[in-house]
Amino acid sequence: DAGVIQSPRHEVTEMGQEVTLRCKPISGHNSLFWYRQTMMRGLELLIYFNNNVPIDDSGMPEDRFSAKMPNASFSTLKIQPSEPRDSAVYFCASTLTPLSYEQYFGPGTRLTVT
Amino acid sequence: AQSVTQLGSHVSVSEGALVLLRCNYSSSVPPYLFWYVQYPNQGLQLLLKYTTGATLVKGINGFEAEFKKSETSFHLTKPSAHMSDAAEYFCAASLTGGGNKLTFGTGTQLKVEL
Repeated sequence: DAGVIQSPRHEVTEMGQEVTLRCKPISGHNSLFWYRQTMMRGLELLIYFNNNVPIDDSGMPEDRFSAKMPNASFSTLKIQPSEPRDSAVYFCASTLTPLSYEQYFGPGTRLTVT
Repeated sequence: AQSVTQLGSHVSVSEGALVLLRCNYSSSVPPYLFWYVQYPNQGLQLLLKYTTGATLVKGINGFEAEFKKSETSFHLTKPSAHMSDAAEYFCAASLTGGGNKLTFGTGTQLKVEL
């Protein structure tokens, strides 16, 4: 079975540009989490959804970041406008149900903003 | 405040030696506990988990961890390190009031030397 799928795997963009990261959770999973990982700050939870509804977005750094989950099989994380400090690896993870804690991670998207 | 603490951001062992990675949690209610491993340029992969029942849990690649309520600990061990164990290891917990999200420790980088 396919795991969590993220695209693109690598993204290089210039400051000020819009960036959209995509995630497809494991089929049948109903919770989805977006994380950011940097050397300085480690692994940070940005936002998570249960049944396509955002539950906790307290980790979203600022208004430049937005996330959507239009259906159970797709989510996006958008940064507009991007800044060099947004450079990081962004992970998506999913769990089977909103009562499940075991998270399955995608391979990540490495974002570089120049 | 509820938290997960990993003692030692870097641990170095010789091949064949015991691996011991420490994790303590702070919570009023014993949480579910997890260890994840992250190899370079990859997402996090579940090593093992404790939910209820037997306090000694076995995971993949010969790793095991013991939940000790009195010590609020969930240390990860492996009797004999292998070069392929070199990776970053994260402890995580489901803390009360957090829905189904996990609180991650800051990670421990394991180096295995010949």
